[in-house]
Amino acid sequence: DVKVTQSSRYLVKRTGEKVFLECVQDMDHENMFWYRQDPGLGLRLIYFSYDVKMKEKGDIPEGYSVSREKKERFSLILESASTNQTSMYLCASSPPGTGFSYEQYFGPGTRLTVT
Amino acid sequence: QKEVEQNSGPLSVPEGAIASLNCTYSDRGSQSFFWYRQYSGKSPELIMFIYSNGDKEDGRFTAQLNKASQYVSLLIRDSQPSDSATYLCAAEHSSASKIIFGSGTRLSIRP
Repeated sequence: DVKVTQSSRYLVKRTGEKVFLECVQDMDHENMFWYRQDPGLGLRLIYFSYDVKMKEKGDIPEGYSVSREKKERFSLILESASTNQTSMYLCASSPPGTGFSYEQYFGPGTRLTVT
Repeated sequence: QKEVEQNSGPLSVPEGAIASLNCTYSDRGSQSFFWYRQYSGKSPELIMFIYSNGDKEDGRFTAQLNKASQYVSLLIRDSQPSDSATYLCAAEHSSASKIIFGSGTRLSIRP
């Protein structure tokens, strides 16, 4: 069974704090993704990574950075948290390839509140 | 124009009826399409994928793809209260190893 875990289910941080969200997958997947999900806006891609030390900007990378030092771990960093970054953050992983290989496995999510 | 569009709903269907969920996409190069189900407070899980024109059936679920019309649908037969969830349509991006999600349709099955 594929397992994607995220470091926290709920997190409350103050404006201006640096925030780290961790994601670990145990299926040796090359691809990993960070999304945020907001009501009415659906899932929006923040960053993704094809391989260790590789990263690509998604649709809304502003205010975020990522780190992938090991294949199984993909970290999302909020450099200076702001209230508009209050959201549900979802990590996902998928194997390489095309077509149905794009099936993504999601972690349980981290609900981040910035006050 | 959003890359993947869905009606947000809610779509209310009586138990035992057929629920029909629709999705359109703008990237003509997309080849693969996915339906994810997301229960309230949970993360999305894949229920169907399709990459050939026509129908694909899996139990009570049928995915339909029409590439000429850039249209994907999901039919749920014999709807059950446990099918009440948000259904996310997603399309493979034609030039990057990622998929684009729609904002989801909330489905409610009334007993």
